[in-house]
Amino acid sequence: NAGVTQTPKFQVLKTGQSMTLQCAQDMNHNSMYWYRQDPGMGLRLIYYSASEGTTDKGEVPNGYNVSRLNKREFSLRLESAAPSQTSVYFCASRNDRGWYFGPGTRLTVT
Amino acid sequence: AQSVSQHNHHVILSEAASLELGCNYSYGGTVNLFWYVQYPGQHLQLLLKYFSGDPLVKGIKGFEAEFIKSKFSFNLRKPSVQWSDTAEYFCAVSYNNNDMRFGAGTRLTVKP
Repeated sequence: NAGVTQTPKFQVLKTGQSMTLQCAQDMNHNSMYWYRQDPGMGLRLIYYSASEGTTDKGEVPNGYNVSRLNKREFSLRLESAAPSQTSVYFCASRNDRGWYFGPGTRLTVT
Repeated sequence: AQSVSQHNHHVILSEAASLELGCNYSYGGTVNLFWYVQYPGQHLQLLLKYFSGDPLVKGIKGFEAEFIKSKFSFNLRKPSVQWSDTAEYFCAVSYNNNDMRFGAGTRLTVKP
């Protein structure tokens, strides 16, 4: 089991560029999540997907879109990146025992 | 709005000192509670969790936490810290099992 995987690990974007962060899990979990981590603010929920075909906004959804492509994959898209989106992004999936986190993507927007 | 508060932003201790990190949450209903640790340059690792039952939960690496429902608290403790415990610690609360909110984190520095 690879658990939760994320690509890329690092990314630098210019303001206005777009990109998609990929996340996949091989644990057959229904629920998947995207968080961002910023110094002094902990992790904040961007979007989540309770099951294949559904997505819901979290605490900080503005500037992001998500796609639950299938049960395994949950992608996060930045259509027009802004410096305020410089952060570390974590994907997670969940079962009854708890949350499982990916290794993170460090994104810098200049 | 539901929130999670961690009272200490940065704690500095000497090795062998005892540790207690505070965590309070705002929601009065059924919750699941977690403590995660993040070592420098690494991703989150689960230390311990509380779903139900005994409110004193034991986790990995000698950590434990106590759920006090009347105080909406879930404080993390360790009797004797080591230099290798230097990390950032996050309290997290799941309110409806489809969402998890994190505290801002507490950075722990253990001096050898």
